[in-house]
Amino acid sequence: IAGITQAPTSQILAAGRRMTLRCTQDMRHNAMYWYRQDLGLGLRLIHYSNTAGTTGKGEVPDGYSVSRANTDDFPLTLASAVPSQTSVYFCASSDIFSGFTDTQYFGPGTRLTVL
Amino acid sequence: GENVEQHPSTLSVQEGDSAVIKCTYSDSASNYFPWYKQELGKRPQLIIDIRSNVGEKKDQRIAVTLNKTAKHFSLHITETQPEDSAVYFCAASISPQAGTALIFGKGTTLSVSS
Repeated sequence: IAGITQAPTSQILAAGRRMTLRCTQDMRHNAMYWYRQDLGLGLRLIHYSNTAGTTGKGEVPDGYSVSRANTDDFPLTLASAVPSQTSVYFCASSDIFSGFTDTQYFGPGTRLTVL
Repeated sequence: GENVEQHPSTLSVQEGDSAVIKCTYSDSASNYFPWYKQELGKRPQLIIDIRSNVGEKKDQRIAVTLNKTAKHFSLHITETQPEDSAVYFCAASISPQAGTALIFGKGTTLSVSS
């Protein structure tokens, strides 16, 4: 069992390019999340999905989009990357039951540099 | 929306001392408060969590206390060891629509010197 995997591990991207960060979990969790981590700012929620077919906006959604076609995958797309999107991106997943979230498990992260 | 404040941003202690990290939150509807530890270059890992129907929870050298009236919660680490050195994040749940997500504090860098 792999848990949560993310790809790529790291990427250098030219500004203006489109990029999709991949996230896959094999724990059959119904909820998935994307965070970005910047020094001194902690982890900030970008987008979330409570169940396949639904998504929602977090604290910093601008410039990012997500989709949730099935339970296992939750890709994050930067339509036109800008240098301020340079960050470490973490995907996470958890179960939700009766309105309560269970432990969120994090993927290994993707280090993205936009030049 | 939910806002989580975490203090201090850095904390240095001697091995064997106790360490306390405090967080406040703004949304009275929050009902789940986890703490994560992140070592350099690694992913955040849950170390302890508490739900709104409990005032305190312990796990060996780690404890968390919650004061819902004051909207603050704290992490207590006793008998600190060098391997406790890491960045610690608190978080509070929000309830977007039918599910929940987490809003994190900005983190506390704990350094334990031997």
